[in-house]
Amino acid sequence: QQQVKQSPQSLIVQKGGISIINCAYENTAFDYFPWYQQFPGKGPALLIAIRPDVSEKKEGRFTISFNKSAKQFSLHIMDSQPGDSATYFCAPSNAGKSTFGDGTTLTVKP
Amino acid sequence: NAGVTQTPKFQVLKTGQSMTLQCAQDMNHEYMSWYRQDPGMGLRLIHYSVGAGITDQGEVPNGYNVSRSTTEDFPLRLLSAAPSQTSVYFCASSYSGVLRSGELFFGEGSRLTVL
Repeated sequence: QQQVKQSPQSLIVQKGGISIINCAYENTAFDYFPWYQQFPGKGPALLIAIRPDVSEKKEGRFTISFNKSAKQFSLHIMDSQPGDSATYFCAPSNAGKSTFGDGTTLTVKP
Repeated sequence: NAGVTQTPKFQVLKTGQSMTLQCAQDMNHEYMSWYRQDPGMGLRLIHYSVGAGITDQGEVPNGYNVSRSTTEDFPLRLLSAAPSQTSVYFCASSYSGVLRSGELFFGEGSRLTVL
């Protein structure tokens, strides 16, 4: 049973475009909904996260939207830049234990 | 502030050999965990610990042992390496735990190849 489904698997956008990555989950006990960014050869690092009592959070060019009833949350990257090219993971967690999606490889073309 | 430090960064083993991946954090985090990352499969939880002396199994614990004698250290032991354990291993820690989930801080990873 796959608890976390992330889509798309890969994404190519032009510089300045909008990148959207989605995450669907099944466990209603999740209490923390983060997106991690990973560059080749590095460990993942937190990009942005949201708690279930909030429907949207924006930090600079990055926005996370949360739909509790649909059990989905998404990452929007505005004005995408070549430096945003990386792998992105959703990783909702419960009691400290995170369940990672399979990842989305984002390529931003200059 | 070093954060989460993993050693070694690279290791090649033969089938049946044993080894320990080291993980240390200097942020006084109670929660520590080990993940493995395989191509196209995201990160999968191997073992985790909510404090010194307390460990528990994650999603893929078979073939791995852990212990937590101090808050700072959380080593991962492979008792008899198998080719299926070829992967990149990440240690992560968090200031939060079972009462409230929070940000995971990751090490740089340990790339293990089992021949």
